[in-house]
Amino acid sequence: QSVLTQPPSVSGAPGQRVTISCTGSSSNIGAGYDVHWYQQLPGTAPKLLIYGNNNRPSGVPDRFSGSKSGTSASLAITGLQAEDEADYYCQSYDSSLSGWVFGGGTKLTVL
Amino acid sequence: QVTLRESGPALVKPTQTLTLTCTFSGFSLSTGGMCMSWIRQPPGKALEWLARIDWDDDKYYSTSLKTRLTISKDTSKNQVVLTMTNMDPVDTATYYCARTKTYYYDGSGYQYYFDYWGQGTLVTVSS
Repeated sequence: QSVLTQPPSVSGAPGQRVTISCTGSSSNIGAGYDVHWYQQLPGTAPKLLIYGNNNRPSGVPDRFSGSKSGTSASLAITGLQAEDEADYYCQSYDSSLSGWVFGGGTKLTVL
Repeated sequence: QVTLRESGPALVKPTQTLTLTCTFSGFSLSTGGMCMSWIRQPPGKALEWLARIDWDDDKYYSTSLKTRLTISKDTSKNQVVLTMTNMDPVDTATYYCARTKTYYYDGSGYQYYFDYWGQGTLVTVSS
């Protein structure tokens, strides 16, 4: 059971917009700790997608965006492409656990 | 160009001690603010943060595993080492090292995220 809750799966057709939620609590996201997102393509290591809630590292397309409100955060992907099919993880810090925590991951399927 | 590579045994027996080495290039762990972490992922499951070591040799461990983990660094060799004692089949996972970036926000303090990852090394625990 992950401290940060994500839907197990989401799907969308090419060109559509999808969102992935990440729900935390008052000891992590709600405490003001930032949320970061990672993309893990099949058989590869995770890659940083969004840091600091809504910042994209160099090279990440602006089709990817993040937001945070209260005890939750979201990752939005617009103009869905086949190569976006991957697992997505949110990450933050939890003061009750005194450690960095990940969501359970969301598998994105491009129909 | 930042690169990281994990190395270590692919198979360990239950109760044995696992030693993993992360060799990196493109940055120095002696630079102020630089940190390195170990993260693992059991097959088909989510990511789990294990440990972090900072440029000033401060160390942090997952509370659930801290009695079994030791993280260390050799700055001259650009290496970070993780040891995990008393291995069990549930510890079967791909182990990643990741460069850890930090920044500071007034009110919420220091924030950390993992900006570069190694390719990972699969460790299987079985007799």
